[in-house]
Amino acid sequence: EAQVTQNPRYLITVTGKKLTVTCSQNMNHEYMSWYRQDPGLGLRQIYYSMNVEVTDKGDVPEGYKVSRKEKRNFPLILESPSPNQTSLYFCASSSWTGRASNTDTQYFGPGTRLTVL
Amino acid sequence: AQKITQTQPGMFVQEKEAVTLDCTYDTSDQSYGLFWYKQPSSGEMIFLIYQGSYDEQNATEGRYSLNFQKARKSANLVISASQLGDSAMYFCAMREGLDNNNDMRFGAGTRLTVKP
Repeated sequence: EAQVTQNPRYLITVTGKKLTVTCSQNMNHEYMSWYRQDPGLGLRQIYYSMNVEVTDKGDVPEGYKVSRKEKRNFPLILESPSPNQTSLYFCASSSWTGRASNTDTQYFGPGTRLTVL
Repeated sequence: AQKITQTQPGMFVQEKEAVTLDCTYDTSDQSYGLFWYKQPSSGEMIFLIYQGSYDEQNATEGRYSLNFQKARKSANLVISASQLGDSAMYFCAMREGLDNNNDMRFGAGTRLTVKP
């Protein structure tokens, strides 16, 4: 089954304690991205990756890091989480290759609800 | 500046009726893609429909259709014959550009409630 998996699904942590949210896809997609969802703001892109070892900042990259060492995995790293990073996080992947002409269906993971105390 | 605007925080519709969810966008690119996603209370994001800026016909997917008015920069989602299971948050999104703009922008969302 084609899917994007995220772990953990729920996490409560404290300010300053480094954490990693994993994301993995089994569709051989080149493109992967991370979003955060906050009430009234919709989804905002944090980082995206067009391919292995290629990552770029989205709209709200501050306080986050990512890596893309393998095609299937795209972990999101919070080196020193703060309460304003409390949010619902989504990982997504697609067959997007950089041309706006192709239909680009993004497949989303189930979400990770993070609370930073 | 807001790239995607959804002006309806919440909408109500009677079961079996049609409903239109508004979306306007802002871009100077000629080539872009527009998307609608559904997010039920369970939280997952479900892709509904896609419209390319060069597509001459409005996109349709089952009960979903996209009313694409390029000159007005609007991409409204029309759901026909609403069902109770359509109650959810709906997000409009846009991907701009050709090769150098690869991020995707989402609107704030519209919460649709279908009444029995």
